Amino acid sequence: QKEVEQDPGPLSVPEGAIVSLNCTYSNSAFQYFMWYRQYSRKGPELLMYTYSSGNKEDGRFTAQVDKSSKYISLFIRDSQPSDSATYLCAMTRGSNYKLTFGKGTLLTVNP
Amino acid sequence: EAQVTQNPRYLITVTGKKLTVTCSQNMNHEYMSWYRQDPGLGLRQIYYSMNVEVTDKGDVPEGYKVSRKEKRNFPLILESPSPNQTSLYFCASMAVGGLGEQYFGPGTRLTVT
Repeated sequence: QKEVEQDPGPLSVPEGAIVSLNCTYSNSAFQYFMWYRQYSRKGPELLMYTYSSGNKEDGRFTAQVDKSSKYISLFIRDSQPSDSATYLCAMTRGSNYKLTFGKGTLLTVNP
Repeated sequence: EAQVTQNPRYLITVTGKKLTVTCSQNMNHEYMSWYRQDPGLGLRQIYYSMNVEVTDKGDVPEGYKVSRKEKRNFPLILESPSPNQTSLYFCASMAVGGLGEQYFGPGTRLTVT
C-alpha cells in the first residue's frame, strides 16, 4: 500500500462548480498536511496547509483533514478557469522536513 | 523578489556526458531539496540538505550527486546520465521550522538520449 494515494483524474468541471479533491494516507505518523497547485510548465506552489483535524478556509478554498480516517480533502467553491491546474496533496511527519506527495489530480475548469 | 532559480530550464544531452543543474535561492533558507517528476509516479525526492555541508539521500538518489558549499546554492550533478534519468527536475527550499511550506523553482526538463 502506497503511503499517499491520490486519484490522478483528469477531472473536468464547468465554471462555477464545486470541486472536491481527495487523498488518503496509510501512515498515522503524518501530522501536517498541504495542498500544492501546479500550473502547466511551472513548479508547484503552496496553496494551503493544516496540522489538525477539521476544516481550514481561505477564500474559495477549504482544506479538510480527518486523521481518524486518514483522509484529506480540498474543496474549491465557484471554480474558475484559472483554477485549472494539477493539485498535489503533501504531508509530513514534521520531524525531518521530508514531504511525501500524492501523484496529483489534473483539474480543468471549462468556461 | 523571493525566488528559486534553476538553470538550465531545458537540456538535451547524451548518455554518459556529465552535467550539472544549478539551483539558487535568495530567501536565506537552510533547507533545500531536489525532486524529479515523472508521469504516473509524481514527485519523488532525490536529495536534500538541511544546511551548508549537510546533505542526505531522498527516495531516489541513485545516479545523482549534490553539494552544498554555500547556503544559497544546491547543484544537482549527474556524472554519467542515462536515459532513465530523463525527467522534469525541481529544486525547492524552505526555512528552518517550516513544516512543508516549500518554495519550488520553475523546473528543468532533461532529456538523455
